Amino acid sequence: NAGVTQTPKFQVLKTGQSMTLQCAQDMNHEYMSWYRQDPGMGLRLIHYSVGAGITDQGEVPNGYNVSRSTTEDFPLRLLSAAPSQTSVYFCASSYPSDPGDPNTGELFFGEGSRLTVL
Amino acid sequence: SQELEQSPQSLIVQEGKNLTINCTSSKTLYGLYWYKQKYGEGLIFLMMLQKGGEEKSHEKITAKLDEKKQQSSLHITASQPSHAGIYLCGAVRGTSGSRLTFGEGTQLTVNP
Repeated sequence: NAGVTQTPKFQVLKTGQSMTLQCAQDMNHEYMSWYRQDPGMGLRLIHYSVGAGITDQGEVPNGYNVSRSTTEDFPLRLLSAAPSQTSVYFCASSYPSDPGDPNTGELFFGEGSRLTVL
Repeated sequence: SQELEQSPQSLIVQEGKNLTINCTSSKTLYGLYWYKQKYGEGLIFLMMLQKGGEEKSHEKITAKLDEKKQQSSLHITASQPSHAGIYLCGAVRGTSGSRLTFGEGTQLTVNP
């Protein structure tokens, strides 16, 4: 199983450029999310989705857009990159181990995408 | 401020020593996750605790959630260099299992 696949693994952008970080999972998970990881800040939730066609904002959504047209894919778009968006980005997917409780089950993470904005 | 506080921030131990990492919340935790991350890699799920007083073990790693469900500890027995990495605790927020709040992580180094 591929699990959660993120592309690209590394990217360098200039300020103002746009790009999309791709995330795909082959586990038929309903829940998907994007985090960014910064030194001293831990992992912070950017956006998340509880199913195809449904997305919502996390802790740090500004500067990022997402869409969820299929169960498998959850791309993260940077419309106009800024140096403050230099970070490592992680996509995650999950399913509830208890079908009646959405808060159960583990998150499966991709290997991360390291983005540098100059 | 972080909703989850991890301590210590970093830890250096000699191979074979035991160690404990703590994760404290100001709010009652619905669920508490422990993950391990190696540099440049994704996060590997270790354990999830939900019930007050719950304790789970996997190989030489044991995690506990206190009765009040506000503090969790991760204990490694007889540490090995393979245990080195960043340990993160995460807590469930909201009504979706996708929404985890994470602590800042504990950097563990195990010297042979």
